[in-house]
Amino acid sequence: AQSVAQPEDQVNVAEGNPLTVKCTYSVSGNPYLFWYVQYPNRGLQFLLKYITGDNLVKGSYGFEAEFNKSQTSFHLKKPSALVSDSALYFCAVREAAGGFKTIFGAGTRLFVKA
Amino acid sequence: DTAVSQTPKYLVTQMGNDKSIKCEQNLGHDTMYWYKQDSKKFLKIMFSYNNKELIINETVPNRFSPKSPDKAHLNLHINSLELGDSAVYFCASSQDSGLNYGYTFGSGTRLTVV
Repeated sequence: AQSVAQPEDQVNVAEGNPLTVKCTYSVSGNPYLFWYVQYPNRGLQFLLKYITGDNLVKGSYGFEAEFNKSQTSFHLKKPSALVSDSALYFCAVREAAGGFKTIFGAGTRLFVKA
Repeated sequence: DTAVSQTPKYLVTQMGNDKSIKCEQNLGHDTMYWYKQDSKKFLKIMFSYNNKELIINETVPNRFSPKSPDKAHLNLHINSLELGDSAVYFCASSQDSGLNYGYTFGSGTRLTVV
């Protein structure tokens, strides 16, 4: 069965500094990996995905994520954080042969200080 | 234009009551989902329908019953509400399994059982 872990409940970073939100996963076969962002009182918004190909994928709002198969990780990154990036971030995984079932991590709250 | 709309946004009800949450999407997607987000922000999939056919039915109490009258609608009916049902319920949709563009989420229905 697939699973996903986000080891940090909260990440604090100063505006202008690079940020990393960590995610590790476990699947039987090849993974499909996703990042979503949730702002207060809103639904989740899709940021980016890894299906196949380049290990570094780029997404919305200047975010990118690096797929590392040997470490089974898919960390979310941004070179320069903005205060408006403060939100709840969810990593999600699906087995390539697993059909429609996407499993979400517990979420990491990102706080960017001005 | 709201892509995925849920009604009501807030629902406060007493234990033992029966209630429904409605979801509609105008994106032309063929797959819809219900997720439950608990007080710790953990997201758990409940159901999914693809072209009106139930394809995911997780281990949820049978007091929860989804209904998809057509591809654009997926409603959630809950019988005999319990305190533990208090959560935010998110509807989502995707084209096929959501690999290319992820899921589009509604803004959630906050259910409070008193």
